[in-house]
Amino acid sequence: GAGVSQSPSNKVTEKGKDVELRCDPISGHTALYWYRQSLGQGLEFLIYFQGNSAPDKSGLPSDRFSAERTGGSVSTLTIQRTQQEDSAVYLCASSRPDISYEQYFGPGTRLTVT
Amino acid sequence: GIQVEQSPPDLILQEGANSTLRCNFSDSVNNLQWFHQNPWGQLINLFYIPSGTKQNGRLSATTVATERYSLLYISSSQTTDSGVYFCAVGTGFQKLVFGTGTRLLVSP
Repeated sequence: GAGVSQSPSNKVTEKGKDVELRCDPISGHTALYWYRQSLGQGLEFLIYFQGNSAPDKSGLPSDRFSAERTGGSVSTLTIQRTQQEDSAVYLCASSRPDISYEQYFGPGTRLTVT
Repeated sequence: GIQVEQSPPDLILQEGANSTLRCNFSDSVNNLQWFHQNPWGQLINLFYIPSGTKQNGRLSATTVATERYSLLYISSSQTTDSGVYFCAVGTGFQKLVFGTGTRLLVSP
């Protein structure tokens, strides 16, 4: 079946602009995660959603970052007033914890803030 | 929080050689995954192995949960095995904590 998809694959934006990144999880997966990969920080967790529970936002680096998940499926990560240090690859993953904790990753969105 | 250490950080092999990558973690986990990040940045799932041993072709992995380490074995390496290998651990469906990776280069 289809894997995790993300859009756009690349995004270049000017400092101070807002951006939205989209993730479509694997069908039937109730858990959805956002991570980012940057040169200086490696792969780090941002936020996850599991079913109808309150999301775990403990990894969001500042209040400029937010995410929502509509209808238990698609998720959007929003970064307001982007800064150059936000440049990174943003990765989305999903899992179906009632079967396995294994997470499956999408191809990522490469964000460049100029 | 959980700390994850991977070794070696870099590895250069001749095609056909075998290698062992190690992942140490600092606390009890019930999720452990090995990934291969290809040149395009995609994280490819290799193993979901919170305990025990699994094999898939030329690759195999062993996790000794009580001693908090996991090993990834690559036999008869090929140039297509080049890339970065990540170990990631977690508790249940919660976040994964990633190691810093092992960068593997297999030369022909």
